[in-house]
Amino acid sequence: GAGVSQSPRYKVAKRGQDVALRCDPISGHVSLFWYQQALGQGPEFLTYFQNEAQLDKSGLPSDRFFAERPEGSVSTLKIQRTQQEDSAVYLCASSFREGNQPQHFGDGTRLSIL
Amino acid sequence: LAKTTQPISMDSYEGQEVNITCSHNNIATNDYITWYQQFPSQGPRFIIQGYKTKVTNEVASLFIPADRKSSTLSLPRVSLSDTAVYYCLVGDAGTASKLTFGTGTRLQVTL
Repeated sequence: GAGVSQSPRYKVAKRGQDVALRCDPISGHVSLFWYQQALGQGPEFLTYFQNEAQLDKSGLPSDRFFAERPEGSVSTLKIQRTQQEDSAVYLCASSFREGNQPQHFGDGTRLSIL
Repeated sequence: LAKTTQPISMDSYEGQEVNITCSHNNIATNDYITWYQQFPSQGPRFIIQGYKTKVTNEVASLFIPADRKSSTLSLPRVSLSDTAVYYCLVGDAGTASKLTFGTGTRLQVTL
């Protein structure tokens, strides 16, 4: 499809395991964002890429969170040594060019840490 | 970052017009106002964006007074499928800024 694709849709992991979440943005979109959404809350910003450059990672909650976009298209959000508080929906969004343009969101990955 | 304030929830009957107002008292000169809609188990979906006065598209209208300290999203003749959470965001459309969603307004449409 032409939208933002995220995989897996659901991920269950045991506390302490590492997880990797994938985002395929819309082709040609320069900007890519990751958000974390807790149940009943609005999405919270994690990090932002412009092409392959990670320009803002101020929202990453700890050094266990790492994101990359090595070729300026697909992005991966990695969480090391997962904790129960990491349970949330992780949303990826992309926009055609830089800045706070209207963002196109994927349907997220629901991460549950047991 | 300009903080926004919205009602937590609203109820409406099908066929009515719904107006959701958002307050953003410290909006900056370069900030735009953007509204997103989110259904359960889906990502937010862009509805409309504006800077001042009125903007209209095929699904909604956005009214912004001259002082820009508030904005109103207007949904004409809502249907059951408009039941969702609506988020008002304020930010500079020209730079990469952190979108702050807040908790949004949960709209419930019934027959």
